[in-house]
Amino acid sequence: DAGVTQSPTHLIKTRGQQVTLRCSPKSGHDTVSWYQQALGQGPQFIFQYYEEEERQRGNFPDRFSGHQFPNYSSELNVNALLLGDSALYLCASSLTPGQGHGEQYFGPGTRLTVT
Amino acid sequence: DQQVKQNSPSLSVQEGRISILNCDYTNSMFDYFLWYKKYPAEGPTFLISISSIKDKNEDGRFTVFLNKSAKHLSLHIVPSQPGDSAVYFCAASAGTGNQFYFGTGTSLTVIP
Repeated sequence: DAGVTQSPTHLIKTRGQQVTLRCSPKSGHDTVSWYQQALGQGPQFIFQYYEEEERQRGNFPDRFSGHQFPNYSSELNVNALLLGDSALYLCASSLTPGQGHGEQYFGPGTRLTVT
Repeated sequence: DQQVKQNSPSLSVQEGRISILNCDYTNSMFDYFLWYKKYPAEGPTFLISISSIKDKNEDGRFTVFLNKSAKHLSLHIVPSQPGDSAVYFCAASAGTGNQFYFGTGTSLTVIP
């Protein structure tokens, strides 16, 4: 049973550039959430996608956008990168909202470094 | 505004003894709580959860206690094993399927 997968593993970008991160959810899951984890901090919720729509959003600027595809995989896009965007980006998948208890299963993350 | 707090950045425990990790929250609307374990270079792994209708949940060596009046939860690991050495995060949500708020983590070291 494949778990949550993310690509790429590591990424180095320059300030002002744009980046796209990808996530495939665990088999049987249709909901994807994205988190940003800065060094020494806990994961911070960016947004959640369900049925190809953004269902919830955390306190992140519009530079952060996403997409969910019909096969439930998802992308996180960040425009106009800032040094402060350097972090580990985690994708988590879960069952349809309201089913189960909402446990989220995380991928290994993408380490983004902005120089 | 940190709604979920883990005030102990690190904890060291002897193998075989009990590990107690603590977590406090401020939002009284939180009704579902989880603990995650994270090894370096891996994503967080779901460990155990508890809903606000309970005050205790056990799963093998892991027990989570919830004190709603104090807005406090704790994770007990008995007996602790060296493989339990990891960073532990508590997380909370208000309603099933809603966003989770994470604490900053506690790094547990179990000494053989």
